[in-house]
Amino acid sequence: GQQVMQIPQYQHVQEGEDFTTYCNSSTTLSNIQWYKQRPGGHPVFLIQLVKSGEVKKQKRLTFQFGEAKKNSSLHITATQTTDVGTYFCADGSSNTGKLIFGQGTTLQVKP
Amino acid sequence: ETGVTQTPRHLVMGMTNKKSLKCEQHLGHNAMYWYKQSAKKPLELMFVYNFKEQTENNSVPSRFSPECPNSSHLFLHLHTLQPEDSALYLCASSLAGGEQFFGPGTRLTVL
Repeated sequence: GQQVMQIPQYQHVQEGEDFTTYCNSSTTLSNIQWYKQRPGGHPVFLIQLVKSGEVKKQKRLTFQFGEAKKNSSLHITATQTTDVGTYFCADGSSNTGKLIFGQGTTLQVKP
Repeated sequence: ETGVTQTPRHLVMGMTNKKSLKCEQHLGHNAMYWYKQSAKKPLELMFVYNFKEQTENNSVPSRFSPECPNSSHLFLHLHTLQPEDSALYLCASSLAGGEQFFGPGTRLTVL
């Protein structure tokens, strides 16, 4: 069935270092969404990417959608302790509204 | 607060019990979802409802029975669960194809 592969599963960084998580699909995606889940919390929507090669920025976060619309990345510049959590990408291609989530990347930031 | 509420927040039940989880949203969304989140499989879609009609059942065992009486309310009825069903159950809602708003979840423990 449909699968979205996300790597790495875990990442530990020193505060101030950069962080990137990658999302890959074997099929072309119509759109991809990114969510963040803080420890003990619930997923919160960050952004949706729709266009081939699209790049969007939110402060220190940069989101990219591949030219072939089969991969995406989230890059955080100069991590802070507030960035701690699990970042999920999700395939939003279904016409029923369902999302297929990647396994998530859990980010730990050492102060 | 995302506008999606879930009750109860915590639930402990025996394998022979029957209980129900409730989800409510007043965001004017037409789609509602149940997800299961456990350590082994981070975010598994269970059911999707669009305009009160079930449009996805992701091969969920019959001991989980969803009910959607209207576009604002979603229930998950539980009976004869197994210990491996212990997990965080998340409800979400959206306008068709858009970002999903998650509730805080119900932490379920099956003894």
